[in-house]
Amino acid sequence: QVQLVQSGAEVKRPGASVRAACRASGYTITTYYMNWVRQAPGQGLEWMGIIDPTDGSTRYAQKFQGRLTMTSDTSTSTIYMELSSLTSEDTAVYYCARGDGKNFGWLDPWGQGTLVTVSS
Amino acid sequence: SYELTQPPSVSVSPAQTASITCSGDKLGTKYTSWYQLKPGQSPVLVIYQDTTRPSGIPEHFSGSNSGDTATLTISGTQAVDEGDYYCQVWDSGTVVFGGGTKLTVL
Repeated sequence: QVQLVQSGAEVKRPGASVRAACRASGYTITTYYMNWVRQAPGQGLEWMGIIDPTDGSTRYAQKFQGRLTMTSDTSTSTIYMELSSLTSEDTAVYYCARGDGKNFGWLDPWGQGTLVTVSS
Repeated sequence: SYELTQPPSVSVSPAQTASITCSGDKLGTKYTSWYQLKPGQSPVLVIYQDTTRPSGIPEHFSGSNSGDTATLTISGTQAVDEGDYYCQVWDSGTVVFGGGTKLTVL
């Protein structure tokens, strides 16, 4: 079955960068876009961006432009999300979520989430 | 930027019908998806393309979308349906989520 397994929790200092991984199984990653979405404590879902694993093309939410990088490794079916210049406001659970093929539709399934804590 | 508005909370008695709304400009011209989020769990897709239930989602979940409002309807609400619900659309190449609605089964 389709499964997205994410890397473990991270604790980072302000100003540092974090890299989260999302390993896909049960399908060919080049046939679906992958999204990253985060949820800060007590807040709602916030879309960060999308990547086409086929060619690595990306689109990021304006809020994260300049400090967000998404990459893909088709040999290991893994998608990466790197966020730099972290502040306490980046403390959140980060999810990868598969898109609706190469369309812009629903997000399903979702990974189990990676908790990132930014603290001095 | 496009905005989706949801009520912060909805309460319902067991076995009754809960309706969660999602409002946006000309929302009926876009496909809306709905997600259920429970504490400590990942979001789960419960409705896509306005009205379609994914495999494994109970039949008492249904959706509609017309005009400026999409609605998620949960019939015969059970305690297990408690959680946060988010609507989602695509607009101008970006994903937009509503602010979320906390469903409480009293």
